[in-house]
Amino acid sequence: GNSVTQMEGPVTLSEEAFLTINCTYTATGYPSLFWYVQYPGEGLQLLLKATKADDKGSNKGFEATYRKETTSFHLEKGSVQVSDSAVYFCALSPGGYQKVTFGTGTKLQVIP
Amino acid sequence: KAGVTQTPRYLIKTRGQQVTLSCSPISGHRSVSWYQQTPGQGLQFLFEYFSETQRNKGNFPGRFSGRQFSNSRSEMNVSTLELGDSALYLCASRDYSDTQYFGPGTRLTVL
Repeated sequence: GNSVTQMEGPVTLSEEAFLTINCTYTATGYPSLFWYVQYPGEGLQLLLKATKADDKGSNKGFEATYRKETTSFHLEKGSVQVSDSAVYFCALSPGGYQKVTFGTGTKLQVIP
Repeated sequence: KAGVTQTPRYLIKTRGQQVTLSCSPISGHRSVSWYQQTPGQGLQFLFEYFSETQRNKGNFPGRFSGRQFSNSRSEMNVSTLELGDSALYLCASRDYSDTQYFGPGTRLTVL
């Protein structure tokens, strides 16, 4: 079956540091890949997505590139802010309204 | 467009009772999924409905059930509540591009 593996958290960074959260996946075919962010007490918000190999999704300074050869979709941001503190989830969808598979989430804490 | 809405936002029940949660998807979305989120188990998939039919199902006991109406609104029911059912229940609707959009969740506490 499909699976998504994220790096264990929590990740603690100082403000303005560079962020990378690793995500690798196992799936047949060409799934769509997503990053979601969850702030305390809220639901998940779509952060960015990519639908085919070599696509780069970007939003609010975050980026992730769909790497078919390494089955990865790592999330990056050049300079994190305290307001980026949240839990980040990587997910894949095989398409055709099949079940979406989520990673376990990575908690990010940014300190001033 | 309005986002995914869930009611109620907070709920307190006692063991043995049953509960019904409601979800209204984004207008035009025909797919609704339900997830349970707990600190220990993370985000777990319950089931997904598309045009009133259950398309996908997770590994939860039969006490957890759902349905979808012709207007795409969905309800989730949990019967004979247990302490372990305390969780944040999230609903998501999916668009034609296969992207899910989540509601704010219903926080269920079982005493």
